[in-house]
Amino acid sequence: EVQLVESGGGLVQPGGSLRLSCEASGFTFSRYSMNWVRQAPGKGLEWVSKISTTSSPIYYADSVKGRFTISRDNSKNSLFLQMNSLRDEDTAVYFCAREDVYLDSGGYYYLKDYWGQGTQVTVSS
Amino acid sequence: EIVLTQSPGTLSLSPGERATLSCRASQRVSSNSLTWYQQKPGQAPRLLIYGASSRATGIPGRFSVSGSETDFTLSISRLEPEDFAVYYCQHYGNSRYTFGQGTKLEIK
Repeated sequence: EVQLVESGGGLVQPGGSLRLSCEASGFTFSRYSMNWVRQAPGKGLEWVSKISTTSSPIYYADSVKGRFTISRDNSKNSLFLQMNSLRDEDTAVYFCAREDVYLDSGGYYYLKDYWGQGTQVTVSS
Repeated sequence: EIVLTQSPGTLSLSPGERATLSCRASQRVSSNSLTWYQQKPGQAPRLLIYGASSRATGIPGRFSVSGSETDFTLSISRLEPEDFAVYYCQHYGNSRYTFGQGTKLEIK
C-alpha cells in the first residue's frame, strides 16, 4: 500500500524557517518525481514545487522561489521542503504528492496519484 | 502562465441529479494536460479523472469529462451522497502545475 506521511509542520514567526519531511512507503520511491502542494485555510490548492527522480531538475512556483528548497533522499525514501523567510501568506496545509507519468495514444499524462494527509504550517507572530 | 477558472463557485444539487462543472483555461490546452481532483473536508485531494475521460482507480463510471481547447466540463451523471465535495481542475505545462479555484458541490 502506497503511503506518504508528512511531518515537521508547526507554528513559526514571520521570517523564520521550517523543514518539512515526507516519508514514503509501499512503492519504489526513487522511480517517481515528487511534489509539494499547499492549501491555505479555506482556500484552494496551490502547487509549490517539484523534484525529479535524481533531484535534477527542480521547479518552484514563483511565490516560493528563492525562499523554499525541495530535496529528496532516495536511500531513505524521503522528501523534504526547507522553508526560509516565511511569511504570513505561507500559512497552509502542506501536502506531498507522488507524480506518476502515463503514456497512451493521447500523449503523456502527469498525475499526482497519491497524496499524504498534510502537515499544518502556521506563520504568525 | 495559464489561468484556470472554474464555475460555478458553488453548485447546490440533490442526490440523483446530474452535475456539470466547468473549467475554462486562459489559453488553449491539450486535453491530456488537464486533470480533475476531488477533495472532501479534512482530507487530501484524490485523483479523479484525466485526459479525454480516463478515470483513476476506483472512480465510478458516473464521472466523465468532455471539452477541448479552452473549455472543459466534469459531469457526474447521478449524484451519490459521497460525491458532495470540492472539485479542482489542474493543468500541467512547462513542468509546472496550475489549479483552478475549485467548485464546491453541496447538497441542496
